[in-house]
Amino acid sequence: EPEVTQTPSHQVTQMGQEVILRCVPISNHLYFYWYRQILGQKVEFLVSFYNNEISEKSEIFDDQFSVERPDGSNFTLKIRSTKLEDSAMYFCASLPRTGKNEKLFFGSGTQLSVL
Amino acid sequence: DAKTTQPNSMESNEEEPVHLPCNHSTISGTDYIHWYRQLPSQGPEYVIHGLTSNVNNRMASLAIAEDRKSSTLILHRATLRDAAVYYCILRDFNHNYGQNFVFGPGTRLSVLP
Repeated sequence: EPEVTQTPSHQVTQMGQEVILRCVPISNHLYFYWYRQILGQKVEFLVSFYNNEISEKSEIFDDQFSVERPDGSNFTLKIRSTKLEDSAMYFCASLPRTGKNEKLFFGSGTQLSVL
Repeated sequence: DAKTTQPNSMESNEEEPVHLPCNHSTISGTDYIHWYRQLPSQGPEYVIHGLTSNVNNRMASLAIAEDRKSSTLILHRATLRDAAVYYCILRDFNHNYGQNFVFGPGTRLSVLP
């Protein structure tokens, strides 16, 4: 089965540094998402992206966050100036063309540790 | 999104059936019922979904109450690999497809050997 690929699997950074998390969604998918999960907590929605623009975002997705699909295959999440509380597992997901029978496909995540 | 409620945790013995309940008393007529699960240290993965009729696939069965206010995910023979957090999510099929999936706390299933 096709997969959503995320790199790196682990990222360690210093507080205040910029990080870019990378994702390669499944090739014929149209909708892209970022979720995060703080250790021991539930999976939280950050942002959805369609047709090269943000379609929906949560309160968590403030001005420090941005997303981009720079080359038609990669989908990136940038955190401009990381805070300690940004430490979490970040999941990328994508949704295929089909509507009523859609299944959301998740990557295996990037564990971000902010020191 | 309409809300769902699930037990925090459940336990099962290996090779026995498991019935994971979900209540969704405010479900609307256009809400699909989706189940995802999250194995330890992995991203969520799709399990099954349905609208009104019971559904079966290679992973599980989904039993939907006649009034659609509750549903049950059935694992016919639990294995150790089925130990995970199981999420019941409602999705409105008339809504913009970009709408996010809202994950609740889910049910943590433990499978005992």
